[in-house]
Amino acid sequence: DAGITQSPRHKVTETGTPVTLRCHQTENHRYMYWYRQDPGHGLRLIHYSYGVKDTDKGEVSDGYSVSRSKTEDFLLTLESATSSQTSVYFCAISDYRKGYTEAFFGQGTRLTVV
Amino acid sequence: QKEVEQDPGPLSVPEGAIVSLNCTYSNSAFQYFMWYRQYSRKGPELLMYTYSSGNKEDGRFTAQVDKSSKYISLFIRDSQPSDSATYLCAMSVGYSGGSNYKLTFGKGTLLTVNP
Repeated sequence: DAGITQSPRHKVTETGTPVTLRCHQTENHRYMYWYRQDPGHGLRLIHYSYGVKDTDKGEVSDGYSVSRSKTEDFLLTLESATSSQTSVYFCAISDYRKGYTEAFFGQGTRLTVV
Repeated sequence: QKEVEQDPGPLSVPEGAIVSLNCTYSNSAFQYFMWYRQYSRKGPELLMYTYSSGNKEDGRFTAQVDKSSKYISLFIRDSQPSDSATYLCAMSVGYSGGSNYKLTFGKGTLLTVNP
């Protein structure tokens, strides 16, 4: 298994509070991603990083921010959690291998906003 | 139009059936095509990948890419109950450049293989 750890695995939080999810990798992969997965919507990209301090928005970035101060850690922050952000969040890592991208996923964080 | 379209199913088949899963896409720059399998409450795992057009076979699984039609398929022969999972297609442009490696996923198709 690729060395990806997401924390926490489960969290319940109240509307309006900030929440930070952490993704830690031991593979030294350059690329890191945050996805959310919801019934009927599938896997949607929130933000991604292609290097330390290099990040970009995905298709559903509103209300989320990210930071990557070192290769192994990619943090996702919900600035002010809303019920629509209740979801399962997956972190993924990848690197250039013969011209293609194979992503390895973490086990997911189940976030409930009440 | 979404970049990648995938019928979410669900799809239910008897054990031993041949399963066909499909995705269409609109971005002609996609060159790398992947299929991921996701078991319930787990993260997706890479099942197969192909580059450009053509077929690739791995055991009971065959991936096909038709770039002229912007259509990819995954076939599962002799399906087993252990194949029950969500199957997601994914694509990337793949050449150098920071954002070109990011994956664009289909929504996933939920497959159940009944004993």
